[in-house]
Amino acid sequence: ETGVTQTPRHLVMGMTNKKSLKCEQHLGHNAMYWYKQSAKKPLELMFVYSLEERVENNSVPSRFSPECPNSSHLFLHLHTLQPEDSALYLCASSHGRDRFKNIQYFGAGTRLSVL
Amino acid sequence: RKEVEQDPGPFNVPEGATVAFNCTYSNSASQSFFWYRQDCRKEPKLLMSVYSSGNEDGRFTAQLNRASQYISLLIRDSKLSDSATYLCVVWGGNKLVFGAGTILRVKS
Repeated sequence: ETGVTQTPRHLVMGMTNKKSLKCEQHLGHNAMYWYKQSAKKPLELMFVYSLEERVENNSVPSRFSPECPNSSHLFLHLHTLQPEDSALYLCASSHGRDRFKNIQYFGAGTRLSVL
Repeated sequence: RKEVEQDPGPFNVPEGATVAFNCTYSNSASQSFFWYRQDCRKEPKLLMSVYSSGNEDGRFTAQLNRASQYISLLIRDSKLSDSATYLCVVWGGNKLVFGAGTILRVKS
């Protein structure tokens, strides 16, 4: 148990559906992250929130929409996804974003399949 | 050139063997380095942090060579439970960059 919980663990959706991924951290951290992990590829950073403010958006398509209502919760809203969006979506949190506070703790991920 | 490069493997080794992985990074301003371990269909978990020239934790030793811009991970006396993907992670420019990982399979 890493203190970062993601739901759902598995999600199958059609291209016209709207769904949301949820992440909750119980570690008292101030920064939260969404990553995409596709087979045999490095983790791709999607979004970074620091103290509930979005500080990084790495050219992610608008069909992915993050939301951070407070420092413990992070959502990723999905709509009109494409089959190539099928991947493992990982949430992570850290104390901060500087050199010594950036150790990230990951949730178990949501395995998403887009049909 | 990729920011962080790793040999994807797989490295197939017998129990008790010593195995080493290398990782190279392109950003000479990188300041912190980590090895994460990811088991099949699980999340990455921190294995070791490397802030100076190296770090040792039991059977695991990480070394940093800033001049050549590479980090290594040495695993001694391999166990079956060491089978996983090992991710090299580099911090610089206020962001973490992950390598694609090296697969290790330890066999009895």
